[in-house]
Amino acid sequence: DIQMTQSPSTLSASVGDRVTITCRASQSVSTWLAWYQQKPGKAPNLLIYKASTLESGVPSRFSGSGSGTEFTLTISSLQPDDFATYYCQQYNNYWTFGQGTKVEIK
Amino acid sequence: VQLVESGGGLVKPGGSLRLSCAASGFTFSTYSMNWVRLAPGKGLEWVSSISSSSNYIYYADSLKGRFTISRDNAKNSLFLQMNSLRVEDTAIYYCARDSRRGTREFDSWGQGTPVTVSS
Repeated sequence: DIQMTQSPSTLSASVGDRVTITCRASQSVSTWLAWYQQKPGKAPNLLIYKASTLESGVPSRFSGSGSGTEFTLTISSLQPDDFATYYCQQYNNYWTFGQGTKVEIK
Repeated sequence: VQLVESGGGLVKPGGSLRLSCAASGFTFSTYSMNWVRLAPGKGLEWVSSISSSSNYIYYADSLKGRFTISRDNAKNSLFLQMNSLRVEDTAIYYCARDSRRGTREFDSWGQGTPVTVSS
């Protein structure tokens, strides 16, 4: 099984901050990596697929990079609507999610 | 695209539940579908996947044969039969669609149905 490890688990930030979340895979997943945003009581929402491609309708302040085993999600300027939990997901070999990163208001 | 789950509820350990997911707004029969769960205080966990014609079915190792995924393309519906339920199966269960691009990320999700396993 491929394990996905996100860091940090919790991140405190202010509106306007640049935020970076890291996701590491236990073995290479090539670029078969997605990022999701989830707010309490809501369904997850796909932000980025194939490591760096922005899903339609997602604001351009979100970006993804990486390949192999190391990936990052960056929010260039944090907005009030961005306070949520973020998950990475590999889909190279079945599907595995990271444990999540909660972005909190500082 | 709309996915609406139902069938969740309170069940005793060892009991069974059958979850349903009603799909609309897209050609259901051409998409692989999935179940994902979110346990209290935990992260998302992939549960199971079924291909468009039910030819390929996959389960998370942690389920140990207790769950069965199925679909009825004529009724645009996805199902998850859950047997021998355990306290640790308590979660919100989401159905999710494979991407419209044919790749295996999940581009549409239902709002989830809660399952509570407790005596």
